Amino acid sequence: EDQVTQSPEALRLQEGESSSLNCSYTVSGLRGLFWYRQDPGKGPEFLFTLYSAGEEKEKERLKATLTKKESFLHITAPKPEDSATYLCAVRNTYSGGGADGLTFGKGTHLIIQP
Amino acid sequence: GAVVSQHPSWVICKSGTSVKIECRSLDFQATTMFWYRQFPKQSLMLMATSNEGSKATYEQGVEKDKFLINHASLTLSTLTVTSAHPEDSSFYICSAEPRRGTSTDTQYFGPGTRLTVL
Repeated sequence: EDQVTQSPEALRLQEGESSSLNCSYTVSGLRGLFWYRQDPGKGPEFLFTLYSAGEEKEKERLKATLTKKESFLHITAPKPEDSATYLCAVRNTYSGGGADGLTFGKGTHLIIQP
Repeated sequence: GAVVSQHPSWVICKSGTSVKIECRSLDFQATTMFWYRQFPKQSLMLMATSNEGSKATYEQGVEKDKFLINHASLTLSTLTVTSAHPEDSSFYICSAEPRRGTSTDTQYFGPGTRLTVL
């Protein structure tokens, strides 16, 4: 069974204070690891897809990295508008005959204080 | 690009009634759509996978007769909650994966539908 564990559950930072969010995963075959941002009462907004260990992707103040066991979402000099819940999810390579959706972690609730 | 809409955004209904939720991919064709459910302060849980022109595949523990899914076209999937009860109250979110050939394996999510059953 695929498992995704995110830490910390909540993180409060001052504006400009850089930090990293962790996503540890267990999957029999990794088809992709995904990062999403979710604002309260809304659906997840796509950020990154990572496919193999060593891969890195960047978007504005966010950078996602991937190893064989975990992924990190680095946030550099965050602003208050970066406050949200960040979700990590994995997709298994096995899709024969069954559902083929994502397995999500519980998310990290990030608050950036001005 | 990759916009997914849901309708309605929220619905309140009486126990025992049925509710239909629509999910549309607005600027791409989706061979596959997914339905998730999210309870307060919990993460998203996959309910079922919907493939255009074929029967949906349900996750273990999800009642097929209660949550009816129809994927009528490459841009529309519907979820009908039949005989809804208060325990079905939740945030229902759909996602869509672009048609193979243009796929990045990425699912794009709709804004969600808040269902409250009284």
